[in-house]
Amino acid sequence: EVQLLESGGGLVQPGGSLRLFCAGSGITFSTAVMHWVRQAPGKGPEWVSVIRGGDGFTHYADSVKGRFIMSIDSSENKLYLQMNSLRVEDTAVYYCAREGFSSGRCGVFKDWGQGTLVTVSS
Amino acid sequence: DIQMTQSPSTVSASVRDRVTITCRASQSISSWLAWYQQKPGKAPKLLISKPSSLESGVPSRFSGSGSGTEFTLTISSLQPDDSATYYCQQYDSYSPTFGQGTKVEIK
Repeated sequence: EVQLLESGGGLVQPGGSLRLFCAGSGITFSTAVMHWVRQAPGKGPEWVSVIRGGDGFTHYADSVKGRFIMSIDSSENKLYLQMNSLRVEDTAVYYCAREGFSSGRCGVFKDWGQGTLVTVSS
Repeated sequence: DIQMTQSPSTVSASVRDRVTITCRASQSISSWLAWYQQKPGKAPKLLISKPSSLESGVPSRFSGSGSGTEFTLTISSLQPDDSATYYCQQYDSYSPTFGQGTKVEIK
């Protein structure tokens, strides 16, 4: 059974930075495809980024491109999301999620962590 | 980005009622659609993908159908545990997008 646990959220001022972490059990991030998905209060989920553990390929939503960086630490089996130049509209619960590969197609979120809240406010 | 629009926003139904939620895509997404269930304070849970394959452990009263731009999620006999918000999500493009959600309430 895959279990994911996010941490690192908190209150940060606009323009600031924060680093989120995702620890996993029952999964090796270096061979998996992993996503970050966020959900602003009262809103639907929003996909943020994906990383392919095998080759480190990453892809980002336009709303975070150039500001967020997703990475994997294979030695510690941890997933990271470095968030820079944070904006008020980045306020959300951030989830890490494992790719589900529907009929070999990427983009389905099969296993989720419990989320970590990021609040961007002055 | 592909826009996903769900209707209705809220549905209130009685136990054992049949409930149908519609999801429309702004362009054709073939069959690359998933449905999630989310309860308050919890992460979304994958129910169905492509768009009628039930995830393991999901009750058979849930079913999905559709292709192209119009899709439906049906709960054939609503149960108290089904009270939740349901989201559709497309994965046809490299940037997946979700609908705004449909809240299912038990009368």
